[in-house]
Amino acid sequence: NAGVTQTPKFRVLKTGQSMTLLCAQDMNHEYMYWYRQDPGMGLRLIHYSVGEGTTAKGEVPDGYNVSRLKKQNFLLGLESAAPSQTSVYFCASSYNARQGGHEQYFGPGTRLTVT
Amino acid sequence: AQSVTQLDSQVPVFEEAPVELRCNYSSSVSVYLFWYVQYPNQGLQLLLKYLSGSTLVKGINGFEAEFNKSQTSFHLRKPSVHISDTAEYFCAVRGQNFVFGPGTRLSVLP
Repeated sequence: NAGVTQTPKFRVLKTGQSMTLLCAQDMNHEYMYWYRQDPGMGLRLIHYSVGEGTTAKGEVPDGYNVSRLKKQNFLLGLESAAPSQTSVYFCASSYNARQGGHEQYFGPGTRLTVT
Repeated sequence: AQSVTQLDSQVPVFEEAPVELRCNYSSSVSVYLFWYVQYPNQGLQLLLKYLSGSTLVKGINGFEAEFNKSQTSFHLRKPSVHISDTAEYFCAVRGQNFVFGPGTRLSVLP
């Protein structure tokens, strides 16, 4: 049982380049989330999904897109990277509230640097 | 809307001393409360949670927290810390949404 995994672990991009971060979970969770973590700001929600084929915006969605084509995967895309997107990105998943799923399970993170 | 305040951004403490990390929240609806720990270069790991019932909640690694509804607080405590407890600690609230506090960096000194 791998839990939540993220690919890649590190990446350096030039301004304007694009990339996709992959999150996978093997716990059959309904909900999945993408956060960014910046010093002194805690975690901020970028986008989330409450089920396969559905996505919604979080607190800081600008400059990012997501897709949830399969229940176990949640992709985060940067179409045109900017230095302000330099951050550590975390994926998380949880059961839905009706199933008693209140806590989130986190992946190990992706450290992205945009130069 | 919900919000979470962690009053101390950094807490240095000597090994084997007690520690309290403070968390206050605001919410217009009933909430569930969590503490997560993040060790260097790792993801977040759940320490403990309050969903209902007893207001004193025990978690992993000897940590405990007390839910105080009137004070809207959920402070984390450990009676005797170890070097290995050095990490960042996040308080989180789930009401309508899941909201994290800014974190408290605990440094345990030898």
